[in-house]
Amino acid sequence: GDSVTQMEGPVTLSEEAFLTINCTYTATGYPSLFWYVQYPGEGLQLLLKATKADDKGSNKGFEATYRKETTSFHLEKGSVQVSDSAVYFCALTVSGGYNKLIFGAGTRLAVHP
Amino acid sequence: SAVISQKPSRDICQRGTSLTIQCQVDSQVTMMFWYRQQPGQSLTLIATANQGSEATYESGFVIDKFPISRPNLTFSTLTVSNMSPEDSSIYLCSVRYPDSRETQYFGPGTRLLVL
Repeated sequence: GDSVTQMEGPVTLSEEAFLTINCTYTATGYPSLFWYVQYPGEGLQLLLKATKADDKGSNKGFEATYRKETTSFHLEKGSVQVSDSAVYFCALTVSGGYNKLIFGAGTRLAVHP
Repeated sequence: SAVISQKPSRDICQRGTSLTIQCQVDSQVTMMFWYRQQPGQSLTLIATANQGSEATYESGFVIDKFPISRPNLTFSTLTVSNMSPEDSSIYLCSVRYPDSRETQYFGPGTRLLVL
């Protein structure tokens, strides 16, 4: 079945460091891909998305490119801030039916000053 | 942008009791969903709330345990019945808007602790 695999956390970085969180997926159809972020004590916020191959989603300095050939959607940011500390979830939805969201396990990011 | 609210935001309940969680959206949506996030875990879809008909449940979730209502296009409830400590989780509703075929937006969640 469809699934999402994320790199395990926690990821601990110093402020202004470069961030990469790996995400790969398995899907039978042509999925749309998402990154959601969960700040401490809050619900999920949509961070960015890409709906077809080679699309790049971007928001708040974060980027991810939909790579069909490697079935990946890695999240990157050039310079992280303490305020980026959160749990990041990669997810996919496959068209048809109710477009159920399938989530990865989540990656906790801790950024220190 | 539209606002999604949930009530209560958190609760502590005794085992054997039931809790009803409300999800309210300030504009009409096409789809509403309920997810569970167990402590330190990812999100799992419980069911899709269908307006005017019975909810569609995912494998492992049943209507007797998680009855769901959706009386209109902006409101839904999830009840967690006959609770046990294993039901301690964050319960989140999500919605899909008419102009977004695939994107879901989430409410702030309800944090439930069962003693």
